[in-house]
Order: sequence, then C-alpha cells, then structure tokens
Amino acid sequence: DTAVSQTPKYLVTQMGNDKSIKCEQNLGHDTMYWYKQDSKKFLKIMFSYNNKELIINETVPNRFSPKSPDKAHLNLHINSLELGDSAVYFCASSQGVTYAEAFFGQGTRLTVV
Amino acid sequence: DQQVKQNSPSLSVQEGRISILNCDYTNSMFDYFLWYKKYPAEGPTFLISISSIKDKNEDGRFTVFLNKSAKHLSLHIVPSQPGDSAVYFCAANAGNMLTFGGGTRLMVKP
Repeated sequence: DTAVSQTPKYLVTQMGNDKSIKCEQNLGHDTMYWYKQDSKKFLKIMFSYNNKELIINETVPNRFSPKSPDKAHLNLHINSLELGDSAVYFCASSQGVTYAEAFFGQGTRLTVV
Repeated sequence: DQQVKQNSPSLSVQEGRISILNCDYTNSMFDYFLWYKKYPAEGPTFLISISSIKDKNEDGRFTVFLNKSAKHLSLHIVPSQPGDSAVYFCAANAGNMLTFGGGTRLMVKP
C-alpha cells in the first residue's frame, strides 16, 4: 500500500507527442506537488495544489498542465514534448502547505527521443 | 541562482564514523529546513527537520545543526552505517514552497 504512487515509472516517447503521468496519494493529504529533477539532479517545484486548487505555478511552459480531479490525485499532462523535457518527475504530497514534510512518489523517468 | 547549495557532491566515510553533510542558503526568508534521503530509483524520503528558531534538532543517530548567522546547516550521522549510503538533499521552506539543494552522495564503507 504505497503512500504516493505515480505511473508510469518509465516513459519513452518521441518529440511532439502528448503524454500524461498519473499520481495518487492515500495519505489523506490536502496538498500535492509536482517536482522535476533535471540532469544536474536539482529538484525544482513545478506545481502545487491545495484542496484541488492551484497555489504554485512556477515558470513552467504552458505545455505542462496539471489536473487535480480530487484531493488524492494530481496528474501531469505534457503536450508537444521536447527533448529538454527529459527528466525525472516526482509527485509528492503533504498535509498543509507549510512546515510539512512532503512524501514523494518513486518518480517517473521521462525520456524524449 | 541556487538559493540552497550543497557544495560537496559526494562524501565517503568509514562505517562507525561520523558523517557530516553541509548545506548553505542565501534567502533569509527561509524559516524551516529539512533533510531528505534518496535511494536510487526511489523518491526522496523525509529524514529530519529544524525550525529557524532552533539551532539543533536530534533524532536518534541524526542531528541537524542550524547557524542562521552563517546561513548554514549541517546533518550529522553518528555512527554511520552502510545502509545510510544514499543521496541526501537539503531543503528550505519559505512560505509554501520548498527549495532543494543539489544533493550530496554519501557512501559509507564497511
């Protein structure tokens, strides 16, 4: 019973395609995040949702669109994939938006060829 | 412009000895700091945290020290165990956002 699960774990796709990564948490948390770990291994926040509402939207191309159908899910849709989108994407959740330890999923390694 | 920096990309220590991982930050608005541990092909897992009103927090073998004037924090692991071998990320919180450092790979040799 994984706390934060994301699928798929690996995703290889061609440039220009549209893909989605799904994330679900069973911790009852009210805040969910998407992070990107780039080639230099830095983890950078992309989006944050609290109670299904977007509260953080960092400088991310609008080809990336998060969708939160309910508090337990935050999916990431990426349109017109580019080579530079290749990275590991981590979903995370926490209770509250401050002073809370986030629980991370295992990551999705996206490779755009 | 990295607001949280871990200047040592790797650290190797002998089992039983102390591991000291360092982290520097530049944003004085950070008021809560966390350390995460990450194994290969897994997501980061929370390890220990400290509020900016404290200078030390201890949890078993793990102790985090915060020097606000120097904008520096460190994680001490005593004694180090081979299972501690992982990448350690420092993170700092301001408002509702965590900013992560680049990580330090710790290798504990038996």
